[in-house]
Amino acid sequence: QQQVKQSPQSLIVQKGGIPIINCAYENTAFDYFPWYQQFPGKGPALLIAIRPDVSEKKEGRFTISFNKSAKQFSLHIMDSQPGDSATYFCAASRSGGSNYKLTFGKGTLLTVNP
Amino acid sequence: DTEVTQTPKHLVMGMTNKKSLKCEQHMGHRAMYWYKQKAKKPPELMFVYSYEKLSINESVPSRFSPECPNSSLLNLHLHALQPEDSALYLCASSQADQETQYFGPGTRLLVL
Repeated sequence: QQQVKQSPQSLIVQKGGIPIINCAYENTAFDYFPWYQQFPGKGPALLIAIRPDVSEKKEGRFTISFNKSAKQFSLHIMDSQPGDSATYFCAASRSGGSNYKLTFGKGTLLTVNP
Repeated sequence: DTEVTQTPKHLVMGMTNKKSLKCEQHMGHRAMYWYKQKAKKPPELMFVYSYEKLSINESVPSRFSPECPNSSLLNLHLHALQPEDSALYLCASSQADQETQYFGPGTRLLVL
């Protein structure tokens, strides 16, 4: 059972475009939602994370939008650059006994063309 | 400093070999993790250590044996692996009471 559904699987945009990656979750106990960026052959790097008590969070060119009622959250990359080309994973976890377990989406391969 | 280091970067081993992967962090984190990642897939959790004690084993085959000698070090001992175990093995760490996990660069393992 996939608890975090991520779309699209791949995405191609032109430099300066605003790619949007969407995730939906099923478990209402989730209360922490990070996004990771992974370049080929490297480990995932934490980009930005959000909790359900806020609807939006910005860090530099990266913005998370969160819709608690719809159980959805999305990553927006403003003024995208070729260097942003990577695989992006959304994830979710919950506090308490299983707070160590991140449930990942399947990933989105983003290509930003020059 | 949010660095998690892993050695070696690459490892090739035969199915009868014994090898070990090493992970180190100096952020004072008390939770450490091993993940396995196949190509074009998300990381899959294998083990979690909390305060140097194994707290989660995700039904990993016994040919993978984790060890946490101290709060900064995490090892993964490998024995009698199968070709399908070839993958990127990732280590991560976090504060024990916080969800934010920081990943290392991984060890690319090839089992022949």
